[in-house]
Amino acid sequence: DTEVTQTPKHLVMGMTNKKSLKCEQHMGHRAMYWYKQKAKKPPELMFVYSYEKLSINESVPSRFSPECPNSSLLNLHLHALQPEDSALYLCASSQGRGRSGNTIYFGEGSWLTVV
Amino acid sequence: SQQGEEDPQALSIQEGENATMNCSYKTSINNLQWYRQNSGRGLVHLILIRSNEREKHSGRLRVTLDTSKKSSSLLITASRAADTASYFCATDARAGANSKLTFGKGITLSVRP
Repeated sequence: DTEVTQTPKHLVMGMTNKKSLKCEQHMGHRAMYWYKQKAKKPPELMFVYSYEKLSINESVPSRFSPECPNSSLLNLHLHALQPEDSALYLCASSQGRGRSGNTIYFGEGSWLTVV
Repeated sequence: SQQGEEDPQALSIQEGENATMNCSYKTSINNLQWYRQNSGRGLVHLILIRSNEREKHSGRLRVTLDTSKKSSSLLITASRAADTASYFCATDARAGANSKLTFGKGITLSVRP
């Protein structure tokens, strides 16, 4: 089962709201990722968690706050977002070990609209 | 920052024809992965090819990697209308716990019935 599940599929939020995106995988993967994808653009990495610790933050604004409560779950907390943050947010996971590279599996994404 | 550059950026073919997409990258890699994305959907993993591999097959897909030229190609044989999607190459310069993918701009493939 190579499945990464993201909720909600669609989210509309105001600029003063606080909301969260959730991601879950049950493949025993130890690396989890958040990517952001604007329309007609490639995905761009935001954060990487490895063994439940934040290992990479690609200079993402603090209005995006990631959290990894356990090895299966990854959240992205959103606060005081701007309309330009509207995008498809993709969660992904991989085994996170080994030298020869791991397949990175993506979820279906959460469409975020900031109004 | 983008690592891969796909070529062409858009491709339109007739059902049954083969589709070839190319990807070039700039720095050394551990592996390269190809993904498909249908409009508004998530990314579907197609193939991973490691830096010490030259060719891999999966069903109707064939991927080659030339590390001396820093390029890869994805061949889809006997295309179907359902292959219509965007295709991305993504490079991973590291491995294991430090893996992260950097995506190219993508290729839009249209397969006409």
